[in-house]
Amino acid sequence: DQQVKQNSPSLSVQEGRISILNCDYTNSMFDYFLWYKKYPAEGPTFLISISSIKDKNEDGRFTVFLNKSAKHLSLHIVPSQPGDSAVYFCAASVPGNTPLVFGKGTRLSVIA
Amino acid sequence: DTGVSQDPRHKITKRGQNVTFRCDPISEHNRLYWYRQTLGQGPEFLTYFQNEAQLEKSRLLSDRFSAERPKGSFSTLEIQRTEQGDSAMYLCASSRVRGGNPSSGNTIYFGEGSWLTVV
Repeated sequence: DQQVKQNSPSLSVQEGRISILNCDYTNSMFDYFLWYKKYPAEGPTFLISISSIKDKNEDGRFTVFLNKSAKHLSLHIVPSQPGDSAVYFCAASVPGNTPLVFGKGTRLSVIA
Repeated sequence: DTGVSQDPRHKITKRGQNVTFRCDPISEHNRLYWYRQTLGQGPEFLTYFQNEAQLEKSRLLSDRFSAERPKGSFSTLEIQRTEQGDSAMYLCASSRVRGGNPSSGNTIYFGEGSWLTVV
């Protein structure tokens, strides 16, 4: 049972444009959501997170939006840069600091 | 470098052999996690420790897998009688969990992973 779903395996965006990566979840108990970025042969790197008490969190070029009623979150990257090309994972946890549950990832390619 | 450190980075072993991976977490992080990642999948939770106590084990962790964190610092993950299906990247992560608010969120920080190839 995939509790965190990233339905787009890949996404291509032109440099300078906005990248929007989407994530859906099924467990209404999730209260903390994170995005990680992964380059080949490296471990995932933490990007940005959001608590369920918020609907938006911004950090530089990265913004995460949370829509609890739709059980949907998205990561916006603007402007996109070639160095952003990587696999992006959405993750979530329930209260109690439990282990994170990850989606399968979306491969972002930013084309110069 | 004060990040999560994993060793070895790459391991090729013959089916049936035992392998052991080591993880050194970020200093003062009391939680340590093991995940596994295969091609096209996200990281899958295996087990985690708070200090030296192993708090949870996934059903993915068969009896051929054992993890320890004897002094609450570094951890080892051993796979006995390896099978080709064990080929994956084994990821270690750590976090610092503070008592109190159970909804404080838990950001974990990963190491670079240990690639296992079973031939």
